[in-house]
Amino acid sequence: GAVVSQHPSWVICKSGTSVKIECRSLDFQATTMFWYRQFPKQSLMLMATSNEGSKATYEQGVEKDKFLINHASLTLSTLTVTSAHPEDSSFYICSARRVAGSPLHFGNGTRLTVT
Amino acid sequence: GEDVEQSLFLSVREGDSSVINCTYTDSSSTYLYWYKQEPGAGLQLLTYIFSNMDMKQDQRLTVLLNKKDKHLSLRIADTQTGDSAIYFCAESIAGNMLTFGGGTRLMVKP
Repeated sequence: GAVVSQHPSWVICKSGTSVKIECRSLDFQATTMFWYRQFPKQSLMLMATSNEGSKATYEQGVEKDKFLINHASLTLSTLTVTSAHPEDSSFYICSARRVAGSPLHFGNGTRLTVT
Repeated sequence: GEDVEQSLFLSVREGDSSVINCTYTDSSSTYLYWYKQEPGAGLQLLTYIFSNMDMKQDQRLTVLLNKKDKHLSLRIADTQTGDSAIYFCAESIAGNMLTFGGGTRLMVKP
C-alpha cells in the first residue's frame, strides 16, 4: 500500500512555456502533499506544503506565482511551473501522507528540462 | 532550528554489513526515517522509528536510535550490489514536514 504516482516522469519544454506535474495517491487519501525540488547530487529542498481544499504554503524563496500548486482532491495535487526558464530545470518530487504523523510516501519524481 | 547531518559516502564489499550514520539536532523529533533513492528515481521509504524506541529490525535492516546523543544509524546486513543508492535520513517534529539530511551515497563493490 501507500503508492504515490507522479506524472510525467520526464518532460522537455521550451523556455516560456508552462508545465504541469501531477501527483496522485493511488491507494490512500492524502490530506497533505509536499512538493520538493532536488538539484544534482543534493538533498531535497521543500518547496511547498499543500493541504486539500486550501491554499498551499510556500517555503521562503519559492515564488508562488511561478510554481502554482493545486490540491483539489484528497488524491491529487498538481504543480504547474509557469513561464519556465532553463534555471527551472530540476528534479521535482512530490510526497503524500494520510494524516499528520504518518510517514511520507514519495512519487518517482519528474525530471524537467527547459531548453 | 533543525539540522540533520550525514556522511557523504560509504563503500563496502558485497556481503559485508553497511552502517550509515545520521545526527540530528532537534530533540523534539517524533519520527526518524530512512529513505533510499536510486538514480533518477524518487525516494523509497525503507523504515522509520518512533522516538521512544531504541531499535527496530526489519529483515536485513536494523535501525538504532540513541536519543541522548541524537544519533541514528541504519545497518544493512549482507549488503548486495542492489543496495547501492543514496540513503537519506529525515526527522519529523509533531507530525509536520520532514527535514532531510544531505544523503549518504552507498557503493557496494562486488
